[in-house]
Amino acid sequence: SQKIEQNSEALNIQEGKTATLTCNYTNYSPAYLQWYRQDPGRGPVFLLLIRENEKEKRKERLKVTFDTTLKQSLFHITASQPADSATYLCALARNNAGNMLTFGGGTRLMVKP
Amino acid sequence: DAGVIQSPRHEVTEMGQEVTLRCKLISGHNSLFWYRQTMMRGLELLIYFNNNVPIDDSGMPEDRFSAKMPNASFSTLKIQPSEPRDSAVYFCASRNTGDWTEAFFGQGTRLTVV
Repeated sequence: SQKIEQNSEALNIQEGKTATLTCNYTNYSPAYLQWYRQDPGRGPVFLLLIRENEKEKRKERLKVTFDTTLKQSLFHITASQPADSATYLCALARNNAGNMLTFGGGTRLMVKP
Repeated sequence: DAGVIQSPRHEVTEMGQEVTLRCKLISGHNSLFWYRQTMMRGLELLIYFNNNVPIDDSGMPEDRFSAKMPNASFSTLKIQPSEPRDSAVYFCASRNTGDWTEAFFGQGTRLTVV
């Protein structure tokens, strides 16, 4: 069966450090992968998309890597700030057609001042 | 555009009652997703519509759940009869099925069945 796995344990880091979150998947051949941020009481908000032929994507302090051999994506936040504290979810298209988004369980990030 | 709008934001109902959740898509979007989020199971995809047509409802838990898109901008998710295990936050999201675009989520409806 298809699975998207993220570390369910919260990640606690100190302000200014780099946070690295992991997304592993099985039985998918995704054309792309997306990362979202979710704050308590709110819906997820899109952050970045990376395509299968891209190894790395950057947006300001965010960096995403995509290794289709390892079936893994890494999400990095450099120079982390307390405002980065949230739950981060990765998403793949279930049917590989680019349409039906399914999400991992998310990883909660806590950045301490 | 005000974004994806869901109503109500909170719903408390008694077991056995019918519950209807509503969602207004972003103008111009042609895909709609209904998700359910719980601590135990995370964000689960319930049903996906494209151009008002249900494409995949394999995530709908039981026959008690039904979803419709009476027009291109509006959708409902109905639970009849509701059970305590249906308690969760229900999100709808819309997007364009163009070039792998992002999904825009509503604020969610927190459903509590007592």
